[in-house]
Amino acid sequence: DVKVTQSSRYLVKRTGEKVFLECVQDMDHENMFWYRQDPGLGLRLIYFSYDVKMKEKGDIPEGYSVSREKKERFSLILESASTNQTSMYLCASTATGSQPQHFGDGTRLSIL
Amino acid sequence: RKEVEQDPGPFNVPEGATVAFNCTYSNSASQSFFWYRQDCRKEPKLLMSVYSSGNEDGRFTAQLNRASQYISLLIRDSKLSDSATYLCVVNLNSGGYQKVTFGTGTKLQVIP
Repeated sequence: DVKVTQSSRYLVKRTGEKVFLECVQDMDHENMFWYRQDPGLGLRLIYFSYDVKMKEKGDIPEGYSVSREKKERFSLILESASTNQTSMYLCASTATGSQPQHFGDGTRLSIL
Repeated sequence: RKEVEQDPGPFNVPEGATVAFNCTYSNSASQSFFWYRQDCRKEPKLLMSVYSSGNEDGRFTAQLNRASQYISLLIRDSKLSDSATYLCVVNLNSGGYQKVTFGTGTKLQVIP
């Protein structure tokens, strides 16, 4: 079974802080994704990566950056957290683009 | 027009009922399709892939209608445990990458 692990289930940070969300997958998947999910808006893609050190912007990259130094790890960085970044963040991975994605448990991030 | 559209529901059905959801997509070049299930405050989990010829997994049947550009999910003999939000997912090869689009989900509530 694919295992996608996110570093925290719940996180509370303050406005202006730099926030790191970590995601690790154990299936040697090429592709990894970061989404946020808000009520009524569904899942929105922030960034994705199709290989080590490669990254592509998704639909809502503003205020975020990512890092993929190792194949199994994909980090999401909030450079200067703001209250409108309070959300559920979901990491996913997949072997190829045509295969279904496997999600981590999600991180509920609150920015105060 | 949204790339992927679902009726948000909620669909309130009695136990044992049959219920069907549709999901329409706008790009006729879309290549692969999936249904996910998401429980409240949890991550989406793959329910089933959708194949051109239609496919069944126990009480669940998925179908694809390329001519009308929609996929459907049929649940027979609904159980209380089927209560969840069902997300459709559409994959499209775009600029060398697979563009993955999630619907916003249809909420199902199975009532005793």
